[in-house]
Amino acid sequence: KNQVEQSPQSLIILEGKNCTLQCNYTVSPFSNLRWYKQDTGRGPVSLTIMTFSENTKSNGRYTATLDADTKQSSLHITASQLSDSASYICVVSHYNTDKLIFGTGTRLQVFP
Amino acid sequence: EAGVVQSPRYKIIEKKQPVAFWCNPISGHNTLYWYLQNLGQGPELLIRYENEEAVDDSQLPKDRFSAERLKGVDSTLKIQPAELGDSAVYLCASSLEGDTEAFFGQGTRLTVV
Repeated sequence: KNQVEQSPQSLIILEGKNCTLQCNYTVSPFSNLRWYKQDTGRGPVSLTIMTFSENTKSNGRYTATLDADTKQSSLHITASQLSDSASYICVVSHYNTDKLIFGTGTRLQVFP
Repeated sequence: EAGVVQSPRYKIIEKKQPVAFWCNPISGHNTLYWYLQNLGQGPELLIRYENEEAVDDSQLPKDRFSAERLKGVDSTLKIQPAELGDSAVYLCASSLEGDTEAFFGQGTRLTVV
Protein backbone atom coordinates (compact mmCIF):
# COMPACT_ATOMS: atom_id res chain seq x y z
CA LYS A 1 0.00 0.00 0.00
CA ASN A 2 1.32 3.44 -0.88
CA GLN A 3 1.81 5.33 2.36
CA VAL A 4 3.62 8.34 3.74
CA GLU A 5 4.46 8.44 7.44
CA GLN A 6 5.86 11.42 9.30
CA SER A 7 7.53 11.83 12.64
CA PRO A 8 7.35 13.25 15.14
CA GLN A 9 3.64 13.98 15.22
CA SER A 10 4.34 17.21 17.07
CA LEU A 11 7.41 19.12 18.14
CA ILE A 12 8.10 22.09 20.41
CA ILE A 13 11.36 24.02 20.14
CA LEU A 14 12.73 27.34 21.29
CA GLU A 15 13.27 30.20 18.89
CA GLY A 16 16.70 30.10 17.28
CA LYS A 17 17.10 26.34 17.60
CA ASN A 18 17.35 23.89 14.71
CA CYS A 19 15.07 20.93 14.15
CA THR A 20 14.64 18.01 11.76
CA LEU A 21 11.39 16.44 10.64
CA GLN A 22 11.24 12.95 9.19
CA CYS A 23 9.25 11.37 6.37
CA ASN A 24 9.22 7.69 5.41
CA TYR A 25 7.29 6.48 2.40
CA THR A 26 6.39 3.24 0.67
CA VAL A 27 5.08 4.86 -2.53
CA SER A 28 6.58 3.04 -5.49
CA PRO A 29 7.41 4.02 -8.06
CA PHE A 30 7.51 7.68 -7.16
CA SER A 31 8.29 10.67 -9.30
CA ASN A 32 8.85 13.41 -6.74
CA LEU A 33 8.66 14.23 -3.05
CA ARG A 34 7.41 17.55 -1.74
CA TRP A 35 7.41 19.34 1.58
CA TYR A 36 4.60 21.77 2.32
CA LYS A 37 4.13 24.24 5.16
CA GLN A 38 0.59 24.80 6.36
CA ASP A 39 -0.18 27.66 8.72
CA THR A 40 -3.32 27.34 10.83
CA GLY A 41 -6.38 28.21 8.79
CA ARG A 42 -4.45 28.44 5.54
CA GLY A 43 -3.80 26.17 2.59
CA PRO A 44 -0.47 24.33 2.27
CA VAL A 45 2.41 26.23 0.66
CA SER A 46 5.19 24.43 -1.17
CA LEU A 47 8.68 24.56 0.36
CA THR A 48 10.63 22.11 -1.79
CA ILE A 49 10.06 19.54 -4.50
CA MET A 50 12.66 16.86 -5.29
CA THR A 51 12.81 14.19 -7.97
CA PHE A 52 14.27 10.75 -7.28
CA SER A 53 17.65 11.86 -8.63
CA GLU A 54 18.02 14.77 -6.19
CA ASN A 55 19.23 14.22 -2.65
CA THR A 56 19.09 17.72 -1.23
CA LYS A 57 17.32 20.98 -1.90
CA SER A 58 17.27 24.21 0.07
CA ASN A 59 14.80 27.04 0.34
CA GLY A 60 16.18 29.68 2.67
CA ARG A 61 16.40 28.20 6.17
CA TYR A 62 14.65 25.03 5.01
CA THR A 63 16.75 22.13 3.67
CA ALA A 64 15.17 18.91 2.48
CA THR A 65 17.08 15.67 1.93
CA LEU A 66 16.01 12.57 0.09
CA ASP A 67 17.36 9.02 0.16
CA ALA A 68 15.45 7.16 -2.54
CA ASP A 69 17.14 3.88 -1.63
CA THR A 70 15.83 3.85 1.93
CA LYS A 71 12.69 5.81 1.00
CA GLN A 72 13.36 8.48 3.59
CA SER A 73 13.28 12.25 3.52
CA SER A 74 13.97 14.88 6.12
CA LEU A 75 13.25 18.58 6.43
CA HIS A 76 15.80 20.55 8.44
CA ILE A 77 14.90 23.99 9.74
CA THR A 78 17.80 26.20 10.75
CA ALA A 79 17.63 29.02 13.29
CA SER A 80 13.90 28.65 13.82
CA GLN A 81 11.63 31.67 14.00
CA LEU A 82 8.23 32.13 15.61
CA SER A 83 6.71 32.23 12.12
CA ASP A 84 7.91 28.67 11.53
CA SER A 85 5.11 27.48 13.81
CA ALA A 86 2.93 25.45 11.44
CA SER A 87 2.24 21.95 10.20
CA TYR A 88 4.77 20.48 7.79
CA ILE A 89 3.40 17.94 5.36
CA CYS A 90 5.39 15.46 3.29
CA VAL A 91 3.79 14.56 -0.04
CA VAL A 92 4.90 11.88 -2.49
CA SER A 93 3.76 11.78 -6.12
CA HIS A 94 3.12 8.35 -7.57
CA TYR A 95 4.96 7.93 -10.89
CA ASN A 96 2.27 6.06 -12.81
CA THR A 97 -0.85 7.87 -11.66
CA ASP A 98 0.47 11.35 -10.68
CA LYS A 99 -1.54 10.84 -7.51
CA LEU A 100 -0.32 12.90 -4.54
CA ILE A 101 -0.09 10.90 -1.33
CA PHE A 102 -0.02 13.03 1.81
CA GLY A 103 1.46 12.36 5.19
CA THR A 104 -0.46 13.44 8.28
CA GLY A 105 2.05 16.18 9.01
CA THR A 106 4.27 17.28 11.89
CA ARG A 107 2.90 20.07 14.04
CA LEU A 108 5.81 22.41 14.94
CA GLN A 109 5.52 25.03 17.63
CA VAL A 110 8.30 27.56 18.12
CA PHE A 111 8.31 29.40 21.43
CA PRO A 112 10.25 32.56 22.32
CA GLU B 1 -0.55 36.98 -10.24
CA ALA B 2 -3.47 35.78 -8.14
CA GLY B 3 -3.19 32.38 -6.55
CA VAL B 4 -5.91 29.78 -6.24
CA VAL B 5 -9.07 31.53 -5.09
CA GLN B 6 -11.75 29.76 -3.10
CA SER B 7 -15.06 30.95 -1.77
CA PRO B 8 -16.60 31.12 0.66
CA ARG B 9 -13.91 31.00 3.37
CA TYR B 10 -16.37 29.79 5.96
CA LYS B 11 -19.78 28.15 5.77
CA ILE B 12 -22.13 27.00 8.51
CA ILE B 13 -25.18 24.99 7.50
CA GLU B 14 -27.69 22.69 9.11
CA LYS B 15 -27.51 19.00 8.34
CA LYS B 16 -29.49 17.81 5.32
CA GLN B 17 -29.02 21.19 3.63
CA PRO B 18 -27.09 21.56 0.36
CA VAL B 19 -23.83 23.50 0.10
CA ALA B 20 -21.53 24.49 -2.74
CA PHE B 21 -17.91 25.59 -2.87
CA TRP B 22 -16.23 27.44 -5.69
CA CYS B 23 -12.63 27.40 -6.87
CA ASN B 24 -10.81 29.50 -9.45
CA PRO B 25 -7.40 27.98 -10.22
CA ILE B 26 -4.27 29.79 -11.31
CA SER B 27 -4.60 30.90 -14.92
CA GLY B 28 -3.23 28.32 -17.33
CA HIS B 29 -3.26 25.45 -14.85
CA ASN B 30 -4.78 22.38 -16.44
CA THR B 31 -4.96 20.21 -13.35
CA LEU B 32 -7.40 20.99 -10.55
CA TYR B 33 -7.81 19.09 -7.30
CA TRP B 34 -10.41 19.09 -4.56
CA TYR B 35 -9.23 17.83 -1.16
CA LEU B 36 -10.92 17.29 2.17
CA GLN B 37 -8.87 17.95 5.30
CA ASN B 38 -9.94 16.98 8.79
CA LEU B 39 -8.35 18.59 11.82
CA GLY B 40 -4.86 17.28 12.44
CA GLN B 41 -4.84 15.21 9.27
CA GLY B 42 -3.31 15.56 5.84
CA PRO B 43 -5.51 16.43 2.85
CA GLU B 44 -7.42 13.57 1.22
CA LEU B 45 -8.16 13.70 -2.49
CA LEU B 46 -11.79 13.90 -3.50
CA ILE B 47 -11.42 14.49 -7.22
CA ARG B 48 -8.78 15.48 -9.77
CA TYR B 49 -9.48 17.14 -13.10
CA GLU B 50 -7.29 17.34 -16.17
CA ASN B 51 -8.93 20.25 -18.00
CA GLU B 52 -12.65 19.45 -17.89
CA GLU B 53 -12.22 15.69 -17.46
CA ALA B 54 -12.42 14.07 -14.03
CA VAL B 55 -9.47 11.64 -14.16
CA ASP B 56 -9.64 10.44 -10.55
CA ASP B 57 -12.88 10.56 -8.58
CA SER B 58 -12.48 7.22 -6.86
CA GLN B 59 -12.60 8.81 -3.39
CA LEU B 60 -15.59 11.06 -4.06
CA PRO B 61 -18.73 9.90 -2.17
CA LYS B 62 -20.95 10.06 -5.20
CA ASP B 63 -24.18 9.55 -3.33
CA ARG B 64 -23.98 13.06 -1.91
CA PHE B 65 -20.97 14.78 -3.47
CA SER B 66 -20.73 16.13 -6.99
CA ALA B 67 -18.25 18.33 -8.81
CA GLU B 68 -17.96 19.99 -12.14
CA ARG B 69 -15.36 21.93 -14.07
CA LEU B 70 -17.13 23.30 -17.07
CA LYS B 71 -14.86 24.82 -19.71
CA GLY B 72 -11.86 23.45 -17.83
CA VAL B 73 -11.31 26.55 -15.71
CA ASP B 74 -13.11 27.15 -12.44
CA SER B 75 -14.83 24.41 -10.53
CA THR B 76 -17.62 23.84 -8.04
CA LEU B 77 -17.96 21.12 -5.43
CA LYS B 78 -21.41 20.38 -4.06
CA ILE B 79 -22.70 18.37 -1.14
CA GLN B 80 -26.37 17.43 -0.98
CA PRO B 81 -27.52 16.65 1.60
CA ALA B 82 -24.78 17.58 4.07
CA GLU B 83 -24.12 15.37 7.10
CA LEU B 84 -22.48 16.21 10.43
CA GLY B 85 -19.40 14.22 9.42
CA ASP B 86 -18.83 16.47 6.42
CA SER B 87 -17.54 19.22 8.72
CA ALA B 88 -13.98 19.80 7.50
CA VAL B 89 -11.84 22.11 5.41
CA TYR B 90 -12.27 21.73 1.67
CA LEU B 91 -9.12 22.65 -0.23
CA CYS B 92 -8.76 23.35 -3.91
CA ALA B 93 -5.38 23.14 -5.63
CA SER B 94 -4.12 23.52 -9.18
CA SER B 95 -0.99 22.71 -11.15
CA LEU B 96 0.20 23.18 -14.70
CA GLU B 97 0.08 19.44 -15.23
CA GLY B 98 -0.48 16.42 -13.02
CA ASP B 99 3.09 15.96 -11.88
CA THR B 100 4.14 19.55 -11.35
CA GLU B 101 3.99 21.71 -8.25
CA ALA B 102 0.50 22.10 -6.83
CA PHE B 103 -0.65 25.44 -5.43
CA PHE B 104 -3.39 25.46 -2.82
CA GLY B 105 -6.17 27.88 -2.05
CA GLN B 106 -6.93 28.94 1.50
CA GLY B 107 -9.76 26.47 1.78
CA THR B 108 -13.40 26.59 2.80
CA ARG B 109 -14.12 25.62 6.38
CA LEU B 110 -17.49 23.87 6.49
CA THR B 111 -19.34 23.37 9.74
CA VAL B 112 -22.49 21.24 9.67
CA VAL B 113 -24.71 21.63 12.73
